[in-house]
Amino acid sequence: AQSVSQHNHHVILSEAASLELGCNYSYGGTVNLFWYVQYPGQHLQLLLKYFSGDPLVKGIKGFEAEFIKSKFSFNLRKPSVQWSDTAEYFCAVNVLGSGGYQKVTFGTGTKLQVIP
Amino acid sequence: NAGVTQTPKFRVLKTGQSMTLLCAQDMNHEYMYWYRQDPGMGLRLIHYSVGEGTTAKGEVPDGYNVSRLKKQNFLLGLESAAPSQTSVYFCASRSPELWDRVYFGPGTRLTVT
Repeated sequence: AQSVSQHNHHVILSEAASLELGCNYSYGGTVNLFWYVQYPGQHLQLLLKYFSGDPLVKGIKGFEAEFIKSKFSFNLRKPSVQWSDTAEYFCAVNVLGSGGYQKVTFGTGTKLQVIP
Repeated sequence: NAGVTQTPKFRVLKTGQSMTLLCAQDMNHEYMYWYRQDPGMGLRLIHYSVGEGTTAKGEVPDGYNVSRLKKQNFLLGLESAAPSQTSVYFCASRSPELWDRVYFGPGTRLTVT
């Protein structure tokens, strides 16, 4: 079964610092990769996604992620964080499961706290 | 389109009570999912459905039942609520196409005392 690891559980940064959140997955086949964000008191929103093509994916609000197939990684980055980026970030992997459906597996999430 | 909606948004139950969470989507999606979100655990799949009239168990199905009588609705039932079921529940839907994303509902915060 596939799994997704987010090694950073809680990250605290000052405004303008650079951000990199790690995401590693274990699955040898074709995957779709996602980052979702959940702002305090709000529901999950899609930040960016990778299906195929250019492994460097740009998302909303200045976020980007790079798919490195050889490392089974899909790390999220932002050059300069803002206080409004305080949220919880989830990495997700979509693979083909049994019975022909696609199953999405989520990481445990990383809480990002940005200090003004 | 309203997307994915969930009813109710909040609920407090006493141990042993029952309730049903309703998920509705207006995107004609075949696949629907129920997840629970707990601190440090991430999102875990409870049950899912790949079409009207079909349901299947996910990672943490115990204590829950589901039904998909209509394509647009996916119901999650708790027959006898337990404090361990205190969580935030998210419904999601997607189309069967491989290159598509999951659409999430706003979540239901359930507290079992």
